Amino acid sequence: QKEVEQNSGPLSVPEGAIASLNCTYSDRVSQSFFWYRQYSGKSPELIMSIYSNGDKEDGRFTAQLNKASQYVSLLIRDSQPSDSATYLCAVNPLSGYSTLTFGKGTMLLVSP
Amino acid sequence: EAQVTQNPRYLITVTGKKLTVTCSQNMNHEYMSWYRQDPGLGLRQIYYSMNVEVTDKGDVPEGYKVSRKEKRNFPLILESPSPNQTSLYFCASSFGTSLYNEQFFGPGTRLTVL
Repeated sequence: QKEVEQNSGPLSVPEGAIASLNCTYSDRVSQSFFWYRQYSGKSPELIMSIYSNGDKEDGRFTAQLNKASQYVSLLIRDSQPSDSATYLCAVNPLSGYSTLTFGKGTMLLVSP
Repeated sequence: EAQVTQNPRYLITVTGKKLTVTCSQNMNHEYMSWYRQDPGLGLRQIYYSMNVEVTDKGDVPEGYKVSRKEKRNFPLILESPSPNQTSLYFCASSFGTSLYNEQFFGPGTRLTVL
């Protein structure tokens, strides 16, 4: 069973701080990794994708991937109350098509 | 506007009454998928389709049917709904079937089966 694990949280950070969200996955051959943000009752929204080891930055968001450790993380700099949401880690466990396995998500709470 | 649409957005029905949830995308995407989301269980894939007339089971296909007669549409059919199918359902699509195609989600359908 291919698994994607996330701490359910909530992770509480003050406004302006760095929020660090972590995800581990079990399938060593996984090749593509995604972070989605989901507000309560809304649909998941793609915020980052990463395919190679290292860091990928987009605005206040940085995704980090370490395939040897089977670990992917998302850093949110200068956290804002509007960042309060559940963050879903998704992994494409197989080559050839777009099926994703999702973690259960980490709830982030940013306090003013 | 590029989007995935679902209808209805909310539905309350009774056990055994057949229903269809429609999903449509206007992005010419090849890949489409249905998920259900339940508290504590996360997003689970029901069915997916890699192209017209090509569908396959996901992790939780029991009690559901799908069809892909046109590229843009991927309806989810519950022939005889039961209360354990009460859930939040999402349709998603992506451009192709390679590894690197991000999936985009519809707004969701909240289904209650009494």
